[in-house]
Amino acid sequence: AQSVTQLDSHVSVSEGTPVLLRCNYSSSYSPSLFWYVQHPNKGLQLLLKYTSAATLVKGINGFEAEFKKSETSFHLTKPSAHMSDAAEYFCVVSEGGFQKLVFGTGTRLLVSP
Amino acid sequence: NAGVTQTPKFRILKIGQSMTLQCTQDMNHNYMYWYRQDPGMGLKLIYYSVGAGITDKGEVPNGYNVSRSTTEDFPLRLELAAPSQTSVYFCASSYRRGDQETQYFGPGTRLLVL
Repeated sequence: AQSVTQLDSHVSVSEGTPVLLRCNYSSSYSPSLFWYVQHPNKGLQLLLKYTSAATLVKGINGFEAEFKKSETSFHLTKPSAHMSDAAEYFCVVSEGGFQKLVFGTGTRLLVSP
Repeated sequence: NAGVTQTPKFRILKIGQSMTLQCTQDMNHNYMYWYRQDPGMGLKLIYYSVGAGITDKGEVPNGYNVSRSTTEDFPLRLELAAPSQTSVYFCASSYRRGDQETQYFGPGTRLLVL
C-alpha cells in the first residue's frame, strides 16, 4: 500500500524568507505525486503534480517540488514566502489503478510579517 | 465552467437523521470521489465512481451510500447520522489522459451531528 509522511505539522517563516515543506512517500509502483493547498474554510487547490516526466516540477504561485526517487522524497519549496501563502499544505500520492489519492496529514504554514 | 459544486455549505443534523450531500461537476469528468476530512487530518476516501452507474467503496464507506445516475451528479447519502460523521466532506472529479489524472475539488460541506 502506498503512504505519504509529512514530516512537519507546522512550519513558521517570515515573509520574504524561503519555504520548505517536507514530504516522504512509500510506493510499490511508479507514483504520481501532488501538492495541494487548502486556505481556511476553502476547498483544495492543486499546486503542482509529478507524473514521471521532469523531476523538478514547477507549480502555481512560485512553488516547486523535486522528485527524488533515491530519497523517496517530494519536498515543496518557494524562494520567498508571501503572507497569502499561509495555509494548510497536503502532500498526496496516487494509489495506482483508479488513481485513488492517499493524503498526508498536512503541514500548516504560518507566515509572519 | 463552475467546476465542482457542493451543497449545502454547512448543515447541523441530529443523531439518527438522514441527509444527502449534493455534488455536481460540469467538466464532463468520468471519475468522481467523496472524501471526508477530520480535524488535523488528511482526506480519507469514502466512495468513488468511474462512470455513470458504477460506484465502489473507498477506505471509510460505513454509514454512507452513493449513486451515480448521471455523469454530472454524485450525491452522498447519510441514512442514520452519528456524531462520528461530524466532518468536512469534499467531492472531487477527474479525467484520465493516458496514465495521468488530476482531481479537482469542490469547496466542501461542513457537517455537524449533535
